[in-house]
Amino acid sequence: EPEVTQTPSHQVTQMGQEVILRCVPISNHLYFYWYRQILGQKVEFLVSFYNNEISEKSEIFDDQFSVERPDGSNFTLKIRSTKLEDSAMYFCASSPPGTELAGGPSGVTQYFGPGTRLTVL
Amino acid sequence: AQSVTQLDSHVSVSEGTPVLLRCNYSSSYSPSLFWYVQHPNKGLQLLLKYTSAATLVKGINGFEAEFKKSETSFHLTKPSAHMSDAAEYFCVVRRDSWGKLQFGAGTQVVVTP
Repeated sequence: EPEVTQTPSHQVTQMGQEVILRCVPISNHLYFYWYRQILGQKVEFLVSFYNNEISEKSEIFDDQFSVERPDGSNFTLKIRSTKLEDSAMYFCASSPPGTELAGGPSGVTQYFGPGTRLTVL
Repeated sequence: AQSVTQLDSHVSVSEGTPVLLRCNYSSSYSPSLFWYVQHPNKGLQLLLKYTSAATLVKGINGFEAEFKKSETSFHLTKPSAHMSDAAEYFCVVRRDSWGKLQFGAGTQVVVTP
């Protein structure tokens, strides 16, 4: 069964460094997402991506964050200058085409990857 | 605005006994609701989803959930717990048509022999 994969599984970085978290969504999926879970807190939405552009982003997703689908298979999250508070588990998700109501993938499931644990020292 | 509240942060059950994980939601319109499970060091796996079809939804691994609009609840049940059910369970609501999911705080399930 196809799965979303993420690399690396664990990334340790120094504060102020740039990190790129990589995801390979399921191949026929069109919608892509990043979520994060700070230890002990809820899973939070960061950004959704469709048709090579951001469709929605949360207030967390500030100018330090960017997403890209560079080659039609990978989906990356870049944090330009990491802060201590960026330490979290980052989950990538993707979903297939659905019943596109109001411009979005209504009625379809998001499939999550195993996550990348980011530790900022 | 939509939100979900998981009423129990921890649930401990004996193997072979029923499991009940409680979730209440608030939504300004008919929601899409999901239960995801996260085993240690694993990703989030979909257990089941409700998208305005049958109110009793059957999922994987013997789990099911009932959507009750009058009670704004979407509780997850399983008749007989297995040791492999030990995990964290998340009740999730879809926030908008672009698919943004809002997660509950999670319920940690412990299964004792």
